[in-house]
Amino acid sequence: NAGVTQTPKFRILKIGQSMTLQCAQDMNHNYMYWYRQDPGMGLKLIYYSVGAGITDKGEVPNGYNVSRSTTEYFPLRLELAAPSQTSVYFCASSLRGGISTGELFFGEGSRLTVL
Amino acid sequence: DAKTTQPNSMESNEEEPVHLPCNHSTISGTDYIHWYRQLPSQGPEYVIHGLTSNVNNRMASLAIAEDRKSSTLILHRATLRDAAVYYCILRDVGAGSYQLTFGKGTKLSVIP
Repeated sequence: NAGVTQTPKFRILKIGQSMTLQCAQDMNHNYMYWYRQDPGMGLKLIYYSVGAGITDKGEVPNGYNVSRSTTEYFPLRLELAAPSQTSVYFCASSLRGGISTGELFFGEGSRLTVL
Repeated sequence: DAKTTQPNSMESNEEEPVHLPCNHSTISGTDYIHWYRQLPSQGPEYVIHGLTSNVNNRMASLAIAEDRKSSTLILHRATLRDAAVYYCILRDVGAGSYQLTFGKGTKLSVIP
C-alpha cells in the first residue's frame, strides 16, 4: 500500500515551459487535493476534486489546470511556468470530504524551481 | 473559515511533555479542530481532531476548552522525531468545505 505517490520529486523548469506533476493514490479515496507551499509558509490549496470527472478551484488556481479521469490519478498541469510558481507541491487524498474528515493523506512533495 | 492563532515556535526537552496552544476565538459550532504536523522535507501528516470533548490517540491528546475558543495539543513525551511544524486548523463541516486552510503553524524544536 503506497498511499499517495508524487512524481517527479524535483524539477527545474525554464520560464514559459509547461509540465505536469503526477499524483496517484491507491487507497480508493474519493477526494484529492493539490497544495503548494512557499518557503516558511503554510500550504495553500490550488485545486481539489471530489470524484472522477469533478474538479474545483481552491485559493490559488491561476496558472494551473487539473483533470480527474479516474479515482486514482489527479495530475496538475503548469502552463507557461513563471518564477512565482517556484514552490513545493503536495498532493493529498481523503476518504470523506465534507463531514468530519478525519485525515488527509499527503504525498512527499514535488519541489519545482522555475528559472 | 475561522482563523487560528499559534505561537511561531516552541522548544521542549526530550522525554518531557509538550503543550502546544491554539487560539480560535471566532470558532463556530460546526467547526472541528484538526491538528496536523509536518516533519522536515515531508508532507503534513494527520495528528488528531475533535469537536467538543477531549480526544486521545496513539500520537497525542487534544484538550479543548469548555468555550471552545482555545485548544491544546499535548505530546506526552517528546522525542527527537516530534520536531516538526504543528498546524491547528478549523474545518467548518456545516459549509460543506472540502479544504483545510493551513496557517504558518508552530515550529517545535526538541532538545536532546
